[in-house]
Amino acid sequence: AQTVTQSQPEMSVQEAETVTLSCTYDTSESDYYLFWYKQPPSRQMILVIRQEAYKQQNATENRFSVNFQKAAKSFSLKISDSQLGDAAMYFCAYRTSAGNQFYFGTGTSLTVIP
Amino acid sequence: DTGVSQDPRHKITKRGQNVTFRCDPISEHNRLYWYRQTLGQGPEFLTYFQNEAQLEKSRLLSDRFSAERPKGSFSTLEIQRTEQGDSAMYLCASSSLWQGDYGYTFGSGTRLTVV
Repeated sequence: AQTVTQSQPEMSVQEAETVTLSCTYDTSESDYYLFWYKQPPSRQMILVIRQEAYKQQNATENRFSVNFQKAAKSFSLKISDSQLGDAAMYFCAYRTSAGNQFYFGTGTSLTVIP
Repeated sequence: DTGVSQDPRHKITKRGQNVTFRCDPISEHNRLYWYRQTLGQGPEFLTYFQNEAQLEKSRLLSDRFSAERPKGSFSTLEIQRTEQGDSAMYLCASSSLWQGDYGYTFGSGTRLTVV
C-alpha cells in the first residue's frame, strides 16, 4: 500500500531564510509522480512543484526546489528566501503513473516570522 | 473560467439529515475527483469520474454516500443520514486527461459540520 509520511507537523522560518520540509513515502511501484501542494488558511490547495520518479534531476520552480532521493523514498521541499505569503499548510502527495488517486501526507504547517 | 467552484462553502446540518454538495469543474476538464479532509489530516480519496462515468470508489465511500456527474459536467456528492463522523472538508478537483500528470486543480471545498 502506498503511504506518505510527513514527520514535521509544524515548522517555522524567518522571513528571507531557507526552510526544508520533509516527506517520505512507501511504494513498490517504479514509476510514479510526487507533488507538493500548498493550502493557505481557508483557501484552495495549489500545486507548488512536481517530480517524475524516472527523472534523476531535482525539480525547481523559482524559490521552490526538491531533493528527490528515490532509493531512500524521500522527497523534501526546500523554500528559499521565505516570504510571508509562504505561510500555509504544505502537503506531500504521491500518485502512481497509471493511477488516478493521490495519496497525501498529514501536512506540515509552515509559519513565516517577519 | 475561474477554476473549480464548490457550493456551498459551509454547511451545518443536524445528525440524520441528508446533504448535497455541488462541484463545477473547469469546463474543459473531463476528470473530476472528490476528496475528504478531516482536521489535521491530508485529503483522502473518495471517488473519481471520467466524463459521466464513475470509475473508482474508495472504501471510505459508504452506502450513505453517492456521487453523480450527469452529462460529464458538474458533479454532486450526497450524504444520507449524516453522522458526526462525516464532519469534514469535502474537496473537489478536476483535471484534463493529460493534466492529471501535472496535478489537479482544486476547489475551495465545502466544510460540513454535523451537530
